[in-house]
Amino acid sequence: IAGITQAPTSQILAAGRRMTLRCTQDMRHNAMYWYRQDLGLGLRLIHYSNTAGTTGKGEVPDGYSVSRANTDDFPLTLASAVPSQTSVYFCASSDSGQVSDTQYFGPGTRLTVL
Amino acid sequence: GQNIDQPTEMTATEGAIVQINCTYQTSGFNGLFWYQQHAGEAPTFLSYNVLDGLEEKGRFSSFLSRSKGYSYLLLKELQMKDSASYLCAGMDSNYQLIWGAGTKLIIKP
Repeated sequence: IAGITQAPTSQILAAGRRMTLRCTQDMRHNAMYWYRQDLGLGLRLIHYSNTAGTTGKGEVPDGYSVSRANTDDFPLTLASAVPSQTSVYFCASSDSGQVSDTQYFGPGTRLTVL
Repeated sequence: GQNIDQPTEMTATEGAIVQINCTYQTSGFNGLFWYQQHAGEAPTFLSYNVLDGLEEKGRFSSFLSRSKGYSYLLLKELQMKDSASYLCAGMDSNYQLIWGAGTKLIIKP
């Protein structure tokens, strides 16, 4: 593994189902992020974690939850998917989450909720 | 509120120069980032400015004016592979990135 991996690459999901998007990084970065990207809108932060064991809410956290049990993994869970959660989801990481910290992105998960 | 504005789409010719503008309004300011995103791919880092002035990195340069809340990305000697979306993002006082919707750059031969 080199960088950030996400799984699955794409998924079609029935409304009401539970879904976990996986994210793993091997750069030993402290900070990790989940974004969603929708056509015509900028990336929007869902949740973030500045270090293992801590998480925080971003701009659009409703309907999503995260955990950060260790440095490498940062899964995003949709407890009961709704069609408005159809989007491309990007996981990112940065060294410390502080000033000038470059965020590195995973390849994304394209999720369709029907 | 926090806001990042950039043009939706621009067209330029191979070999030419193009400037993509970005205006920002953030709660506090900890720098301005530019990312490149090819269709269907992840964003990748291009540049970071926190002080006024021009940062040059090969064919790409980025400029910042903090007093005007303004930045631009300058791409020289355009190549077809530069066809992509260019994302402007301001870092606020909580070190969170506020993203613009991106500028889709179309390069014509």
